[in-house]
Amino acid sequence: QQQVKQSPQSLIVQKGGIPIINCAYENTAFDYFPWYQQFPGKGPALLIAIRPDVSEKKEGRFTISFNKSAKQFSLHIMDSQPGDSATYFCAASGSGGYQKVTFGTGTKLQVIP
Amino acid sequence: GAGVSQSPRYKVAKRGQDVALRCDPISGHVSLFWYQQALGQGPEFLTYFQNEAQLDKSGLPSDRFFAERPEGSVSTLKIQRTQQEDSAVYLCASSARGSDTEAFFGQGTRLTVV
Repeated sequence: QQQVKQSPQSLIVQKGGIPIINCAYENTAFDYFPWYQQFPGKGPALLIAIRPDVSEKKEGRFTISFNKSAKQFSLHIMDSQPGDSATYFCAASGSGGYQKVTFGTGTKLQVIP
Repeated sequence: GAGVSQSPRYKVAKRGQDVALRCDPISGHVSLFWYQQALGQGPEFLTYFQNEAQLDKSGLPSDRFFAERPEGSVSTLKIQRTQQEDSAVYLCASSARGSDTEAFFGQGTRLTVV
């Protein structure tokens, strides 16, 4: 059962463009939504995370938009660079002590010069 | 080291062979997770430890999979009688507390069963 749906599967943008990756979840108990960046041969690394009490969070060139009523959230990468080329995973979990993290299926982003 | 260390990086096993995958978490981290990542997919949860206690093993796909963390630091994931469908990257992650604090992942062990 896929509890976090992610799209698109792959994305190609020009340098400077703004790739957008979308995710949707079903479990209303989720209240922590991290995004991970993974380079080939490496483990995922936390990029940015949001809780549903805010609708947007920015960290540097990365912005998460969150729509609690629609149970959707998205990642925007401003002024994308070739070094941003990686696979991005959205994820979700509950909070308050231990909660396992459920990952989306990933989006492979390629930023071309 | 400063990060999560996993060994070996690559493992080729013949079908039916037993394997053991090691994870050295960040020193002092209470929580330790194992994930399985199939090619082109997101990581799938396998099991969770808080110190030496295995609090959740609901993601282990069969009784051939076994994990331990006897002293609350290093963890070992053991797969008995490996099958071709076990081929994947096995990721270990640790965090200072629970899952809503940042989890740091190792580079993974790529297991290929032939």
